[in-house]
Amino acid sequence: AQTVTQSQPEMSVQEAETVTLSCTYDTSESDYYLFWYKQPPSRQMILVIRQEAYKQQNATENRFSVNFQKAAKSFSLKISDSQLGDAAMYFCAYRDSTDRNAGNNRKLIWGLGTSLAVNP
Amino acid sequence: DAGVTQSPTHLIKTRGQQVTLRCSPKSGHDTVSWYQQALGQGPQFIFQYYEEEERQRGNFPDRFSGHQYPNYSSELNVNALLLGDSALYLCASSFFNEGGYTFGSGTRLTVV
Repeated sequence: AQTVTQSQPEMSVQEAETVTLSCTYDTSESDYYLFWYKQPPSRQMILVIRQEAYKQQNATENRFSVNFQKAAKSFSLKISDSQLGDAAMYFCAYRDSTDRNAGNNRKLIWGLGTSLAVNP
Repeated sequence: DAGVTQSPTHLIKTRGQQVTLRCSPKSGHDTVSWYQQALGQGPQFIFQYYEEEERQRGNFPDRFSGHQYPNYSSELNVNALLLGDSALYLCASSFFNEGGYTFGSGTRLTVV
């Protein structure tokens, strides 16, 4: 079964600095998707960035970028120029591809999350 | 913006009771998935509905059931509530043949 591990329960960063959140996963699949979601106190899960496993190029969305190491099964998130609004729980998620009945909407498998504090 | 709407936002129930949570998907989305997020944990997949049928199910007992209506809205029902059912219940909607999820803000269920 696929698993997702986030080994950093809490992280902190100074405003305007850079921080990297770690995520490792385990799967026997060759084609899958990986995601980073942000969950602020409002509780709504917000997609930060996604990576398709067959793409070698690391995904980038403005200040957010990933370091995807497929062989090492590692998927870290780098936040540059951190802002106070970046403070939240960050979850790494893997999209399961074992149930063909569900089309492309296969379930997400989640890590335990990393709580990010941004210090002014 | 007609995002995902969940009701109620908070709910307190007594052990043994039954509860129904509701979700209205984002406008145009036809698939609804439900997740349970216990305190300090990542979400756990409960089930997914498309075309009014349960398409995928996670490792949850039969006490958890659902329904999807022709307008794509969905309900999550939990019978014989246990203290361990206390959690944030998240609804996510999407198009069936596309992978992009939109999440609601969840329903916080407390079982006492």
